[in-house]
Amino acid sequence: EVQLVQSGAEVKKPGESLKISCKGSGYSFNGYWIGWVRRVPGKGLEWMGVIYPGDSGTTYSPSFEGQVTISVDKSTTTAYLQWSSLKASDTAIYYCARQRVATIDMKKLNYFDFWGQGTLVTVSS
Amino acid sequence: SYELTQPPSVSVSPGQTATITCSGDNLGAKYASWYQQRPGQSPVMVIYQNTKRPSGIPERFSGSNSGNTATLTISGTQAMDEADYHCQAWDRSAVIFGGGTKLTVL
Repeated sequence: EVQLVQSGAEVKKPGESLKISCKGSGYSFNGYWIGWVRRVPGKGLEWMGVIYPGDSGTTYSPSFEGQVTISVDKSTTTAYLQWSSLKASDTAIYYCARQRVATIDMKKLNYFDFWGQGTLVTVSS
Repeated sequence: SYELTQPPSVSVSPGQTATITCSGDNLGAKYASWYQQRPGQSPVMVIYQNTKRPSGIPERFSGSNSGNTATLTISGTQAMDEADYHCQAWDRSAVIFGGGTKLTVL
């Protein structure tokens, strides 16, 4: 059974650093992309970026490039999302998800077939 | 940058058909996916590659994509289908989500 288990809720102050995790199991972790998605309360989903555990290759959304860092530890089948200096506007639920990527009929196909349970990050002074 | 537009809310009576749209420039030339998110839960994929249903998703969920609009149709809507629905596509090396639609079953 494919599972993505995320770390627990965090409460931080503006300017603090944070690293949250997403542990994959039940599948060949190195062979599937892991994406990170944000949901601010009352708003829609936002894609932050993706990492390929096999070679640690990453792609960031232009909206999040330079704001966060996505990394992976293959030895523990865990992906990470980290901030060096949090802002109040980073308050949200963060999801990791297995991101499927393919080219079919010369069109790029991307979708998220399994999701973690989400990590609530609250940033408040 | 590429945008996907969804209606903020859709209402439907139990047993009726709910239709949720997702609009974007020439969206029919891309693949669309749909996710259901019930309150307090993680998203669940209900449609991928425009029309495909993952294992375990009821047959009452169907999708289409043509021109500038992708559509999620829920036939015989049930109370348990009340949730937020998000469309998603890929454009120029980035995943794009629509703003989400709250489906109310009343």
